[in-house]
Amino acid sequence: GAGVSQSPSNKVTEKGKDVELRCDPISGHTALYWYRQSLGQGLEFLIYFQGNSAPDKSGLPSDRFSAERTGGSVSTLTIQRTQQEDSAVYLCASSRNTGGGEQYFGPGTRLTVT
Amino acid sequence: AQSVTQLDSQVPVFEEAPVELRCNYSSSVSVYLFWYVQYPNQGLQLLLKYLSGSTLVKGINGFEAEFNKSQTSFHLRKPSVHISDTAEYFCAVGASGSARQLTFGSGTQLTVLP
Repeated sequence: GAGVSQSPSNKVTEKGKDVELRCDPISGHTALYWYRQSLGQGLEFLIYFQGNSAPDKSGLPSDRFSAERTGGSVSTLTIQRTQQEDSAVYLCASSRNTGGGEQYFGPGTRLTVT
Repeated sequence: AQSVTQLDSQVPVFEEAPVELRCNYSSSVSVYLFWYVQYPNQGLQLLLKYLSGSTLVKGINGFEAEFNKSQTSFHLRKPSVHISDTAEYFCAVGASGSARQLTFGSGTQLTVLP
């Protein structure tokens, strides 16, 4: 079947605008993760969804960031009032609900805030 | 909490030479360990993982890694590299038994020279 898909692949926005990034996980995967990859850096955890449980938002850098997951499938990451430091690649991953299970990554959305 | 240190940000090596990419971690709980590879403009792909059992794990593309609990290390090795191995490599740690988010190192850029 299809892998994790993300849209858009690239997004250029002006400082202060809101953006929405979308993630379609692999069908049947109950766990979904958002990470941020800044230039020359590793992956920074943002948020984790597991089934119908309350998400772990502990990695969100500010209250301008939010995410939701509808129907246990598609997820949207929203960044309000974007800042230049938000420029990064935003990666989504999904996995089965098993410890040690592989996280399958999407190709990412490259966000540039001008 | 966990942390991961990848000691080398860049590793240049000639084709057909052996390579070792170093990874050290710290954790207050038992861990799972992973190596992911990222080719340019692509998402991350799992190379190999250690969950339990044998400390020497083999992955795709001829890579292997050895879990050393006393030295808290999980170094990645390949006896003979190819040009096509040029990519960014990330070491990651997760809490054993958990499907929660991974903690990633900052990455090692492997460049294979002709």
